[in-house]
Amino acid sequence: QSALTQPPSASGSPGQSVTISCTGTNSDIGAYNYVSWYQQHPGKAPKLMIYEVTKRPSGVPDRFSGSKSGNTASLTVSGLQAEDEADYYCTSYAGSNNLGVFGSGTKVTVL
Amino acid sequence: QVQVVESGGGVVQAGESLTLSCVASGFSVGNYGMHWVRQAPGKGLEWVAVLWANGFKKHYEDSVRDRFTISRDTSKNTVFLQMNNLRVEDTAMYYCARDRSYYSDEFWGQGTLVNVSS
Repeated sequence: QSALTQPPSASGSPGQSVTISCTGTNSDIGAYNYVSWYQQHPGKAPKLMIYEVTKRPSGVPDRFSGSKSGNTASLTVSGLQAEDEADYYCTSYAGSNNLGVFGSGTKVTVL
Repeated sequence: QVQVVESGGGVVQAGESLTLSCVASGFSVGNYGMHWVRQAPGKGLEWVAVLWANGFKKHYEDSVRDRFTISRDTSKNTVFLQMNNLRVEDTAMYYCARDRSYYSDEFWGQGTLVNVSS
């Protein structure tokens, strides 16, 4: 399985929105509604922000939202805050006989 | 309170073995999929090994398939990653995580560092 494709970086000013794309294939993102997004601050463990494409775990602000169209999933962070500056990774289920696959990661900078 | 705590990392030479442990509290490892994820220095996340809740289905990253084994001991509420014939490229922080559903890992440990020298 090849890694999902994410842009290396994205940025926005406080209060603005930023959208990160995650492109896979019709064997992973395109085939299943099991896309998750993780946030990782330096030196910390990843944190689940979105699961099953659009769902937010308890405690995750509604500024974070997910969507999917075809083979591409997206994470949107609205009303950017300083603490949103982090690396973000997407991942997708890839079928019952395959290991899941991570995206390459996107570094979000709050200007 | 749900928690997972990894241990067992360290510095080893290429070709040696290590066993990582992930002790769970607040839930039973027999009821959830459990995952090992690694992150090489300065690199991205990588699924290494996953154990589905049924305890039978396991998946491995291609480069570790014949060298690593994921298992669990429900009596100890612990998940293990047996790593044999370690390579320099296995150097990474190894995280244990509990699956919510289909690779949505809601609870993560702090990680244990594996450093393989040549």
